[in-house]
Amino acid sequence: EAQVTQNPRYLITVTGKKLTVTCSQNMNHEYMSWYRQDPGLGLRQIYYSMNVEVTDKGDVPEGYKVSRKEKRNFPLILESPSPNQTSLYFCASSLKAGGAYEQFFGPGTRLTVL
Amino acid sequence: DAKTTQPTSMDCAEGRAANLPCNHSTISGNEYVYWYRQIHSQGPQYIIHGLKNNETNEMASLIITEDRKSSTLILPHATLRDTAVYYCIVRAFNSGGYQKVTFGTGTKLQVIP
Repeated sequence: EAQVTQNPRYLITVTGKKLTVTCSQNMNHEYMSWYRQDPGLGLRQIYYSMNVEVTDKGDVPEGYKVSRKEKRNFPLILESPSPNQTSLYFCASSLKAGGAYEQFFGPGTRLTVL
Repeated sequence: DAKTTQPTSMDCAEGRAANLPCNHSTISGNEYVYWYRQIHSQGPQYIIHGLKNNETNEMASLIITEDRKSSTLILPHATLRDTAVYYCIVRAFNSGGYQKVTFGTGTKLQVIP
C-alpha cells in the first residue's frame, strides 16, 4: 500500500532531550516536507527536500534539523526540544516538487515537550 | 506561494451541495490551486487541484474564475463524513523555483443532519 509513515505517533519528552521523528514513504517520491500544526495557526512548513541531499527551510525552521540521505526517508530532528515545540507534526511527500503534484500526508506525530 | 483567504466556518445540510469559496487574488500564472481536507487531527487528504480550467473528480468539483483570483470547491452531495477543515492553497508549477507550501487556517465545514 502506498503510504507515508511516521514514528512515533505519540511522544512525551522533557526539555533538552534530543529526539528524532522518522518519516518514510514507499512511493519513490522526490519531494518531502515537514509541517507543524498548532491551534489557530493551521499547518506551517518547517523544512522541505526537493531530492536526496537537497533540503531547504520552510516558514518555521528554528529549532529543527532534517536530513535526506535516502530518497525514502526524511527524519525530523529536535536537538534540544523546548515546550514551544509541543505540536502536531505531519510529514508529506509528492512525486516531484512543483504545483502539478499533490502531496500525500502521514498520520501525524503528536509531540509534547514538558 | 500566493496567500489564500477562506471563510472560517460554514454549515451545510446533509445531501445538499457544499460550496466552499477561496480567494487567491495574488496568484501567479504558474500557480496551481489545491484543495485538501483534514478530518479531526488526521493527516490532510488531497481532494482536487487545477490551474485554469474547471476540474471534477470522484470527490468534488473545482471551479476557477476566469481571472483566477478565486475558486470554489463543490461537494455535490455532502454527507456527515465530509465534516472537516478544508484548506485551499496555491503551489507553483516550476520545480526549479520557490517551493515553500503555505496552508492557511482553512474553512471548518459542518454538515448538519
